[in-house]
Amino acid sequence: QSVLTQSPSTSGTPGQRVTISCSGSSSNIGSNDVYWYQQLPGTAPKLLIYRNSQRPSGVPDRLSGSKSDTSASLAISGLRSEDEADYFCAAWDDSLSGWVFGGGTRLTVL
Amino acid sequence: EVQLVQSGAEVKKPGESLKISCQASGYSFTSFWIAWVRQLPGKGLEWMGVIFPGDADAGYSPSFQGQVSISADKSTSTAYLRWNNVKASDTAIYYCARTRRYGSAAFDYWGQGTLVTVSS
Repeated sequence: QSVLTQSPSTSGTPGQRVTISCSGSSSNIGSNDVYWYQQLPGTAPKLLIYRNSQRPSGVPDRLSGSKSDTSASLAISGLRSEDEADYFCAAWDDSLSGWVFGGGTRLTVL
Repeated sequence: EVQLVQSGAEVKKPGESLKISCQASGYSFTSFWIAWVRQLPGKGLEWMGVIFPGDADAGYSPSFQGQVSISADKSTSTAYLRWNNVKASDTAIYYCARTRRYGSAAFDYWGQGTLVTVSS
């Protein structure tokens, strides 16, 4: 049972916009930044979004992150086949004094 | 170029000891924290613990405290994750990842992962 809650799966067609949500509590998302990671099949996770909405260099601007209260979202517009992956949200939890992750959302590009 | 290169896959029997490694390059090893993250087969990510190689300060998730130990060797820029007696439930992929601080911060670089299989 993950501390942060994500829907297990979502899908979209090429060119579409999809949103992946992440729900937490006051001790994690409510008081700390949210991070998003992409895990392509058979590979290690990769940082996609930091500090709620910032993109590392090399991450396209069709990916965007936002946070409101105890929830966060990752939006992917202009969906491409290479976006098919697992997406994980993460945050620091003040009560646990550690990082917590969501269970991951598998994105399928139809 | 920042790189974290992990040791190869391991196959162990229950009760055996195990130590896997994560060698860093391309940055100052003693200036960043290294975390370990577990991924059970087909499951999500779990933070296990973290170490600051500069002074060996370490912290553990309550779920893993006492089950594993984390260490670092500054001379070889290598972090380690060790078990004294592995269990079948330790079968997973283990990732090391770099972070700027023990707190709200990103894991900005990841190792390629080490698959650990524990089976009798």
